[in-house]
Amino acid sequence: DAGITQSPRYKITETGRQVTLMCHQTWSHSYMFWYRQDLGHGLRLIYYSAAADITDKGEVPDGYVVSRSKTENFPLTLESATRSQTSVYFCASSNSGDFAGELFFGEGSRLTVL
Amino acid sequence: GQNIDQPTEMTATEGAIVQINCTYQTSGFNGLFWYQQHAGEAPTFLSYNVLDGLEEKGRFSSFLSRSKGYSYLLLKELQMKDSASYLCAAMDSNYQLIWGAGTKLIIKP
Repeated sequence: DAGITQSPRYKITETGRQVTLMCHQTWSHSYMFWYRQDLGHGLRLIYYSAAADITDKGEVPDGYVVSRSKTENFPLTLESATRSQTSVYFCASSNSGDFAGELFFGEGSRLTVL
Repeated sequence: GQNIDQPTEMTATEGAIVQINCTYQTSGFNGLFWYQQHAGEAPTFLSYNVLDGLEEKGRFSSFLSRSKGYSYLLLKELQMKDSASYLCAAMDSNYQLIWGAGTKLIIKP
């Protein structure tokens, strides 16, 4: 009964390094999302996926890459980390069709870029 | 542009009632969501309104007025564990969620 898990929970890296945040869900939900949460801002959508091999940009996709080769996994890669990418990253999933509102969130990955 | 407004912080007393307001402007509308987020934890779903009116779920109720672009979350019989941030999110015509910055609710004994 793992649900949706993210790893690592905490990561410190340096500017310019590549970082991958992992997300795994055990419900076979079709939709998966990556959000970032910063103080004073609402959750901002980075990328989302409606199914395996289908991904689409959200509000703030620049500097991020995603893939979804399997339904249960949705990794997020920062190709060359910048300080502005210091944030808490949440992965979420939903089992809805065109109604993708009720989201189930992972515990978050707190990333610090020095 | 699309926008969600909610108060940054509110304080209430244990056992009392508190109402957290949210106003929204979106391109089209497919519903209004409330999530609860305890400090350092993930958001969890509380409620969804798509029709005008009040939806009640135990101590929590959520209200929607589509004509006014307005919603509120009502918490009754406040408990210390209700101390959290409450996130309002509106779904636009593309079924994308637009999130508010959240209202931090502080409960005092």
